[in-house]
Amino acid sequence: GQQVMQIPQYQHVQEGEDFTTYCNSSTTLSNIQWYKQRPGGHPVFLIQLVKSGEVKKQKRLTFQFGEAKKNSSLHITATQTTDVGTYFCAGPGKIIFGKGTRLHILP
Amino acid sequence: NAGVTQTPKFQVLKTGQSMTLQCAQDMNHEYMSWYRQDPGMGLRLIHYSVGAGITDQGEVPNGYNVSRSTTEDFPLRLLSAAPSQTSVYFCATQRASGSYEQYFGPGTRLTVT
Repeated sequence: GQQVMQIPQYQHVQEGEDFTTYCNSSTTLSNIQWYKQRPGGHPVFLIQLVKSGEVKKQKRLTFQFGEAKKNSSLHITATQTTDVGTYFCAGPGKIIFGKGTRLHILP
Repeated sequence: NAGVTQTPKFQVLKTGQSMTLQCAQDMNHEYMSWYRQDPGMGLRLIHYSVGAGITDQGEVPNGYNVSRSTTEDFPLRLLSAAPSQTSVYFCATQRASGSYEQYFGPGTRLTVT
């Protein structure tokens, strides 16, 4: 199956700072999904990107799919304590998840 | 709608014991999957099913069996539990067409001593 690499593994930010996590694949992806998992919870679907160069926004979250469809990013503007958790990207097929980026917010 | 349910929530087993983790869904989704989540390892696919009577192996299938006799249920059986199987197990469902969104159950936290 396809592999997706996610960086960074951990990120600590002050509340109000921005945060970005990146997802990279060695092969072209037909689509990519992003999930959020709160501490002690289960992964929850955030969004799916399908088109080359696609950009989607959900309030303070901006998702991008690269032109070559091999990379994607999730950017959070002005982080809040409610953003704490682990963010996963996932490729298609036998859905392969990245190892996630754990976001810690410092008050 | 209950969505995706998993039982039990917590389980402690001794090495060598067997048990079945239950997963049920009421969303009429064709696809169902089992993942395990270990610290720093993300979510790893154990087994999946594209419909009743059809199952296939994922990334880490050894030590686990599955069957899918109905659309609603997808149990995961540990044949002879080992400490390496200590993990959090998630069941997920997905529609066969349209969005690739997966819906996850609340998880089962398993400890093997």
